[in-house]
Amino acid sequence: GAGVSQTPSNKVTEKGKYVELRCDPISGHTALYWYRQSLGQGPEFLIYFQGTGAADDSGLPNDRFFAVRPEGSVSTLKIQRTERGDSAVYLCASSLIPGSPLHFGNGTRLTVT
Amino acid sequence: DQQVKQNSPSLSVQEGRISILNCDYTNSMFDYFLWYKKYPAEGPTFLISISSIKDKNEDGRFTVFLNKSAKHLSLHIVPSQPGDSAVYFCAANSPQAGANSKLTFGKGITLSVRP
Repeated sequence: GAGVSQTPSNKVTEKGKYVELRCDPISGHTALYWYRQSLGQGPEFLIYFQGTGAADDSGLPNDRFFAVRPEGSVSTLKIQRTERGDSAVYLCASSLIPGSPLHFGNGTRLTVT
Repeated sequence: DQQVKQNSPSLSVQEGRISILNCDYTNSMFDYFLWYKKYPAEGPTFLISISSIKDKNEDGRFTVFLNKSAKHLSLHIVPSQPGDSAVYFCAANSPQAGANSKLTFGKGITLSVRP
């Protein structure tokens, strides 16, 4: 079956611009996660959704970052006033239920120039 | 403060031999540990996990060992195959975070298996 799909695969934007990153989880997966992987680092937790609500957003670095999952399926990670330090691979993952292994998408590589 | 440490950035092993990937952690609240494998331009793929109530978990060629007193775990791959060449991430979770919901990852180890 289809895995976790993330679009776009690459995004280049100018400093100060607004970007949206999209994640389509595996059908039927109730839990959805966003992680960020900077160069030379492991993935870092950003936010976790259970259904439509954000169960844990403690990893969002500041209020420029926001994520939604309005219908409990597709999620969008939104970054306002992008900064060069936001450049990273943004990974989305889903799991059938909380506690089951995460299935990651291939990520969106964001470059802020 | 790195709570999950993979101190060796790379490892090179001959095909057919054993690969041993090490991981240390500092947070004594961690009680569930996972290994993920990542190929270039792909997302991490779950490989194997272990709960803190166990000291060993085996799945085919992959075995994870946990030493709680030393706060150390290791992944053994035997025999190693060229297709195992990838980046391996160690990850950990704590009960407060909810199983699998908020993983803390190490920086990863790049494994190269020479034919």
